[in-house]
Amino acid sequence: EPEVTQTPSHQVTQMGQEVILRCVPISNHLYFYWYRQILGQKVEFLVSFYNNEISEKSEIFDDQFSVERPDGSNFTLKIRSTKLEDSAMYFCASSESGPPRKYFGPGTRLTVL
Amino acid sequence: KQEVTQIPAALSVPEGENLVLNCSFTDSAIYNLQWFRQDPGKGLTSLLLIQSSQREQTSGRLNASLDKSSGRSTLYIAASQPGDSATYLCAGIIQGAQKLVFGQGTRLTITP
Repeated sequence: EPEVTQTPSHQVTQMGQEVILRCVPISNHLYFYWYRQILGQKVEFLVSFYNNEISEKSEIFDDQFSVERPDGSNFTLKIRSTKLEDSAMYFCASSESGPPRKYFGPGTRLTVL
Repeated sequence: KQEVTQIPAALSVPEGENLVLNCSFTDSAIYNLQWFRQDPGKGLTSLLLIQSSQREQTSGRLNASLDKSSGRSTLYIAASQPGDSATYLCAGIIQGAQKLVFGQGTRLTITP
């Protein structure tokens, strides 16, 4: 069965540094998402992306965050200047269209020191 | 604003028992509801999706139901096994939106 993949599995960075988290969604999917889960807390929506633009974003997704689909397969989340509170598991997801089943990747654990 | 709540936060049952996990949501305009399994430190595995026109879905020993009028969904696990031990999350989408709103999960432990 096709899967969403994410790299790296774990990223450690210093506060203030830029990080890029990478995802390869399922190939025929059209909608792409980023979610995050701070340790011990709920999974939170960050952003959805369709037709090469952001279609919905949360209050968390401020100017420090950006997303990009640089080619036909990758989907990236960039955090420009990381903060301690950005430490979390970041999940990428994709779906064939908006409402139906969303498929999640294994996550990237981001640790900001 | 859609809120999703799961009670209890943790549940421990002996192997072989049938059990029910509960999920409640505040917005009856919920469009889809998806149940996930999460193992410690791992990603989210989709278990069942109930679309707005459906009332329940079944996959193997799992059955999920959706009652939009009462704002509730349940996940029924039959003949539980130690391998079912994990955190179970429900998440809903309201009509017109794309984002999933997650509950905090129920941590299930099946004791041999």
